[in-house]
Formats: sequence, C-alpha cells, structure tokens
Amino acid sequence: EPEVTQTPSHQVTQMGQEVILRCVPISNHLYFYWYRQILGQKVEFLVSFYNNEISEKSEIFDDQFSVERPDGSNFTLKIRSTKLEDSAMYFCASSAGGPGQFFGPGTRLTVL
Amino acid sequence: GENVEQHPSTLSVQEGDSAVIKCTYSDSASNYFPWYKQELGKRPQLIIDIRSNVGEKKDQRIAVTLNKTAKHFSLHITETQPEDSAVYFCAAPKGDQAGTALIFGKGTTLSVSS
Repeated sequence: EPEVTQTPSHQVTQMGQEVILRCVPISNHLYFYWYRQILGQKVEFLVSFYNNEISEKSEIFDDQFSVERPDGSNFTLKIRSTKLEDSAMYFCASSAGGPGQFFGPGTRLTVL
Repeated sequence: GENVEQHPSTLSVQEGDSAVIKCTYSDSASNYFPWYKQELGKRPQLIIDIRSNVGEKKDQRIAVTLNKTAKHFSLHITETQPEDSAVYFCAAPKGDQAGTALIFGKGTTLSVSS
C-alpha cells in the first residue's frame, strides 16, 4: 500500500538557521498539506497546496515559512530563520481530494 | 472558521470495556468527520470517518455516530484491547472546498489495562 514518506526523520538545527523538510506524497494524490504537532499537543494545520499553489494557510504559516513542489514527486517546507518555538514534529499529508488525508511518519525538528 | 472540541482528554478502561470519545464542531456546513489514532512516536492513522449524510458507521469494534443538529460526533470502541491504547484525534474540515485541510481536536489519551 502506498504511503507518504518524509526525510529526514530528525533534524537538529541552531536558532536562526534555515531548514528544509522534505516529503514525497502518495503518487496519484493532488492535495498536499503540512501540519505540526508540538510535543504532547494536538495536530495543527499549517498549509495546504494544490495545483502548484497554496490553497489554504493558517495564522501559524507566516513569512518565515514557504512551501514548494520542486519536481513531480517532492513537496518541501522551508523555515527561513528557525526559532526555539518551531521545535515540533512536522507531518506531511496528502489526499486525492476526497475524504481521507494520509500522513507521513513526520520529521522531528529540534531548534537549539 | 471551524473549531473542534474533544473530551475527555484522558480515558482509562479495563480490557473488554467500551470507550467513548466525544467531539463537537462549530461550522454547520461541515460534512466529513474523520478519526485518527496516533500511537506513541508514530504518524496519525485514519481509522474511521463519517459523512454528514449518515448517522452511524461501524467497522468491526469501532463505530462513529454523528448528530448534525447538535453538531457533535462520537467514537465508540467496544471490547477494548491493550493495543487500542493510543491518542485519538477527531477532526473536521476547515473549509467546504475539495481537499480542504483538517482542524483537529486536542486528542484523547486512551489507556486500556489488562
């Protein structure tokens, strides 16, 4: 069964550095999402992406964040200048547009 | 925008008992309600969902009920087993367009003791 994959599984960075989190959505899916989960808290929506543009974003997704689909398979989230409070698990998800979003294994981002 | 409230935050049951988790939502236009199970350190996994045109859906030991008038939906797990121990999240659609994002509840930590 196809799954969403994410790399790296764990990223440690210094405050102020840029990080890029990578995702490979399920191949026939058209909608892509980034969510984050601070340890012990709920899953929070960041941004959704369809037809090569952002379709929705939350108030968390400010100018420090950007997303890109650089080729036919990858979907990336860039944080330009990381802050301590960006430390969280970042999940990529994809869907075919109907019900059901399928999540990747996550990238644990630690900002020191 | 959509707001999802979930309770209880923790639930402890004995193996074989039933467990019920309840969620309310704010947007009466919402039409799809999934439930996710997240084991420690793992990804959220979709376990069951319900559309607004039905009141109940079952899949073996799990069921979901929906009350559109009251804007609440519930997850029911019968004959609980230790492997049901996890955090369960309900969700509702953020908007009404295809592929809209999900807004999650705060989660319920279910502990099943044998």
